[in-house]
Amino acid sequence: AQSVTQLDSHVSVSEGTPVLLRCNYSSSYSPSLFWYVQHPNKGLQLLLKYTSAATLVKGINGFEAEFKKSETSFHLTKPSAHMSDAAEYFCVVSDNLPRGKLIFGQGTELSVKP
Amino acid sequence: AAGVIQSPRHLIKEKRETATLKCYPIPRHDTVYWYQQGPGQDPQFLISFYEKMQSDKGSIPDRFSAQQFSDYHSELNMSSLELGDSALYFCASSPLARTDTQYFGPGTRLTVL
Repeated sequence: AQSVTQLDSHVSVSEGTPVLLRCNYSSSYSPSLFWYVQHPNKGLQLLLKYTSAATLVKGINGFEAEFKKSETSFHLTKPSAHMSDAAEYFCVVSDNLPRGKLIFGQGTELSVKP
Repeated sequence: AAGVIQSPRHLIKEKRETATLKCYPIPRHDTVYWYQQGPGQDPQFLISFYEKMQSDKGSIPDRFSAQQFSDYHSELNMSSLELGDSALYFCASSPLARTDTQYFGPGTRLTVL
């Protein structure tokens, strides 16, 4: 069965410094992996997705993630944090079936200090 | 670009009452998914529909039912509401050509008193 583990429940960075949000996955197949962001009292917005085309995936708002099969990881990074990046971030794996459900990690809350 | 529409955005009900949540998928998206996010929790899959047929079922209580209509919109019906049903309910949709990507609506926040 597919699952994801987000290694940090909370990450705090200063504005302008790099962001690293860690995610490990478990999958019997070549997984479809996603990062979603949820701002306070808002819906879930797709940041980026990996579907085996390229191991380095670029997303919106300067975020990117690298798929590392040997480490079963899909960490999310951004070179320079902005105050508006403060939100909850979810690493997600697809059920790997047509129209399969999404399985969410526990979430990482990102705080950005001025 | 058009997004997933959910209504109502907020709903307050008493215990044992019923509630109906509506979801309008992005045009030309034929699959609809429902998720429940409890306070401080990650979203959990409830149920999905493809071409008006139930596609998959997750941890949805028997008190809940859902359906997809001919115009692809979906409704989640919740009866005998309990305090523990208070949550954010998300609907997502995916297009026929890219079934692995789901686009989420803004959610309906249900509060049961």
